[in-house]
Amino acid sequence: QKEVEQNSGPLSVPEGAIASLNCTYSDRGSQSFFWYRQYSGKSPELIMFIYSNGDKEDGRFTAQLNKASQYVSLLIRDSQPSDSATYLCAVGVYNQGGKLIFGQGTELSVKP
Amino acid sequence: ETGVTQTPRHLVMGMTNKKSLKCEQHLGHNAMYWYKQSAKKPLELMFVYNFKEQTENNSVPSRFSPECPNSSHLFLHLHTLQPEDSALYLCASSQETQGRTEAFFGQGTRLTVV
Repeated sequence: QKEVEQNSGPLSVPEGAIASLNCTYSDRGSQSFFWYRQYSGKSPELIMFIYSNGDKEDGRFTAQLNKASQYVSLLIRDSQPSDSATYLCAVGVYNQGGKLIFGQGTELSVKP
Repeated sequence: ETGVTQTPRHLVMGMTNKKSLKCEQHLGHNAMYWYKQSAKKPLELMFVYNFKEQTENNSVPSRFSPECPNSSHLFLHLHTLQPEDSALYLCASSQETQGRTEAFFGQGTRLTVV
């Protein structure tokens, strides 16, 4: 079983729509959760992090965490073509030297 | 100036060569990491350093040798690599605070082994 699992996509949404990206993880000891955006040929860029159950909003982005279901999601409202990228979910475990486990990424395509 | 800087950006090396990748962070972080990103595979953690001490070696072959002389600099020494080692090598840093580890990445080194 993969430790962090994401739908590989590609996920295609029209401009202005809500894009929903999902991630599940297997280690119940996980304490920190991150979403990175990676454009083709570039390095991952941190866009959201969440540590507590519930929602966290930052501009057009909302991260949602449900530790009981071992599920974290990222919603992108009013999607723009510039949001087209691969989104990486990463999970961290306390007391393991900052080790992050990444999912395989979901490719998002926003069509004008 | 970006927070985490990697050099070189691109590297082509033969299987008998020895080369080194360099990473420098200007964020005052106490932890640094090497990750490998191969096509169609998740980012793989290779090495972790906390306060200059290696705390993780994720079953990485000995042809990859890390070095962390201080908390701002991290090297990855390469020797007798194989073509399947061709990948994007990413350095990251974070501030270890009660397990909350927001990691920031450098631009990466695109390595091609011929």
